Amino acid sequence: AQSVTQPDIHITVSEGASLELRCNYSYGATPYLFWYVQSPGQGLQLLLKYFSGDTLVQGIKGFEAEFKRSQSSFNLRKPSVHWSDAAEYFCAVGGTNAGKSTFGDGTTLTVKP
Amino acid sequence: DGGITQSPKYLFRKEGQNVTLSCEQNLNHDAMYWYRQDPGQGLRLIYYSQIVNDFQKGDIAEGYSVSREKKESFPLTVTSAQKNPTAFYLCASSTSGQGNEQFFGPGTRLTVL
Repeated sequence: AQSVTQPDIHITVSEGASLELRCNYSYGATPYLFWYVQSPGQGLQLLLKYFSGDTLVQGIKGFEAEFKRSQSSFNLRKPSVHWSDAAEYFCAVGGTNAGKSTFGDGTTLTVKP
Repeated sequence: DGGITQSPKYLFRKEGQNVTLSCEQNLNHDAMYWYRQDPGQGLRLIYYSQIVNDFQKGDIAEGYSVSREKKESFPLTVTSAQKNPTAFYLCASSTSGQGNEQFFGPGTRLTVL
């Protein structure tokens, strides 16, 4: 069975500082991996995805993520955080079955001025 | 513009009443999903549908029902059998096949009084 762990429930960073959100997955084969972002009271928006190929993936809003098979990780990074990045971030692994994805519990990002 | 709409944004019902949440998409996607989101618990899959007139239970289907009579529509009924129905409900859709990203609606917040 596939599963996703986001070890950090809540992270606070200062505006302009770098950011790394952790994601570990469990999956039997090469995974399909996603990062989504959710603003309060809204739906989720895809930031980036990894299927195969280059292990460093670029996404929208200046985010990137690196797939490390040896560590079963897919951590999300941003070199300089903006106040508008404050949101909840979800890592997901999918989907051998009709595109079903399994989501982590999310990491809430707070940005200090 | 293509997208997913959910209505209403906020819904209030008395305990013991069934309530139906609407989800419509014009992305021409085959697959549609319903998730429940509670604080600190991420997204949990209620039901999903890969094709018209077919759907499968997710991880927490008890107390819920769905239909898929049209490709564009996937309504969710929260029945009186659902023990704790107050939550944020998210609908999503995707193209069929493995590992496809999901597109989310804005969500419906249901409060049962």
